[in-house]
Amino acid sequence: EVQLVESGGILVQPGRSLRLSCAASGFSVDGYAMHWVRQAPGKGLEWVSGISWNSDTMDYVDSVRGRFIISRDTAKNSLYLQMNSLRAEDTAMYYCARDKLARLGNGWGFEDWGQGTLVTVSS
Amino acid sequence: DIQMTQSPSSLSASVGDRVTITCRSSQTIHNYLSWYQQKPGKAPKLLIYVASTLQGGVPSRFRGGGSGTEFTLSINSLQPEDFATYYCQQTYITPPSFGGGTKVQIK
Repeated sequence: EVQLVESGGILVQPGRSLRLSCAASGFSVDGYAMHWVRQAPGKGLEWVSGISWNSDTMDYVDSVRGRFIISRDTAKNSLYLQMNSLRAEDTAMYYCARDKLARLGNGWGFEDWGQGTLVTVSS
Repeated sequence: DIQMTQSPSSLSASVGDRVTITCRSSQTIHNYLSWYQQKPGKAPKLLIYVASTLQGGVPSRFRGGGSGTEFTLSINSLQPEDFATYYCQQTYITPPSFGGGTKVQIK
């Protein structure tokens, strides 16, 4: 059974850094593209970042480009999101998601999702 | 970036009704369109991908259609468990943008 478990979300002050983790089981993270998607309280879904199966392609939404870094650790079968220079507008539930395919682009959607981890950026 | 526009933003319907949600993209995405269902406090769930292919385990009353820039999600004979928010998403190019969502409420 595929399972994704996010962790690392906390209350953090603006300007600080945070690393989110997503532990995967039931599949290998190096076999699929993986993504982070966020949802601000009461708002819709926003894709944040994605990484292809072999990590040769990574991309970010413009609002986090240069501040966030996506990575994976195949030995730990985990996905990460390093979040730097956090802003109030980064406050959201952050979901880890597995793509149906290995590549970014020309995709078939996000097949499996974690339960999310809440990041609150506030002084 | 490709903008995705859903309509309506909300609708009220009764059990047994047929409902249709529309999603439009700002440029052609061919058939790279997915639909998700999200219930309060839960993660989204993939319903349909490549515009019309039903994800495994999803009831056949859900149907997706369209291509190019205009797509639809139809739910035949609405069931109590179908009251939720539905999102479309283009997966043609990154960023794989989502529509604003359509909340399906009980009339």
